[in-house]
Amino acid sequence: SQQGEEDPQALSIQEGENATMNCSYKTSINNLQWYRQNSGRGLVHLILIRSNEREKHSGRLRVTLDTSKKSSSLLITASRAADTASYFCATWGGADGLTFGKGTHLIIQP
Amino acid sequence: EAQVTQNPRYLITVTGKKLTVTCSQNMNHEYMSWYRQDPGLGLRQIYYSMNVEVTDKGDVPEGYKVSRKEKRNFPLILESPSPNQTSLYFCASSLGWGSLHFGNGTRLTVT
Repeated sequence: SQQGEEDPQALSIQEGENATMNCSYKTSINNLQWYRQNSGRGLVHLILIRSNEREKHSGRLRVTLDTSKKSSSLLITASRAADTASYFCATWGGADGLTFGKGTHLIIQP
Repeated sequence: EAQVTQNPRYLITVTGKKLTVTCSQNMNHEYMSWYRQDPGLGLRQIYYSMNVEVTDKGDVPEGYKVSRKEKRNFPLILESPSPNQTSLYFCASSLGWGSLHFGNGTRLTVT
């Protein structure tokens, strides 16, 4: 079943500000991943964090994972107009394959 | 070039007319999956396959069939499409429990 749930559903910030999105999930996981989707297009993988990791960085992205709270956050620093997109968390866990949340729609205002 | 290829990109059909959406990957990935995306509902998994001849139901399998006779191909079959299957469909694949590679999507309209 759909595991992850992102929060907020929508976020609008000014260019240059930081954007933070959260994800909560229900059962134990092998890893958690974040994806970006530009309108109507295929999803693009951003970052993967394993269940035994607490924090991971990739360029302007920072992901944290708290398995005790079953939650993760994605921070995008120094946002740009090109970061406008929907962001999804996805979890690998058990025998359900990789399941996604409903996403956070991020709008970066110039 | 490593890719997941879905066809067709757009499809308009009528209720009850059987259709197949093809998906092929050239990365020797074991895992393949089909998702549908509807406004406000995110991506919901239809079927997935951990390897050849192994398929499992996802969250919304009703009205769909799949097969995995070869590692590279994972077609999605709608035996009798209905208007509630109008959606944007994505195929994806991965190696083990890694990141997914997505196709470009198939926008299906059933009238």
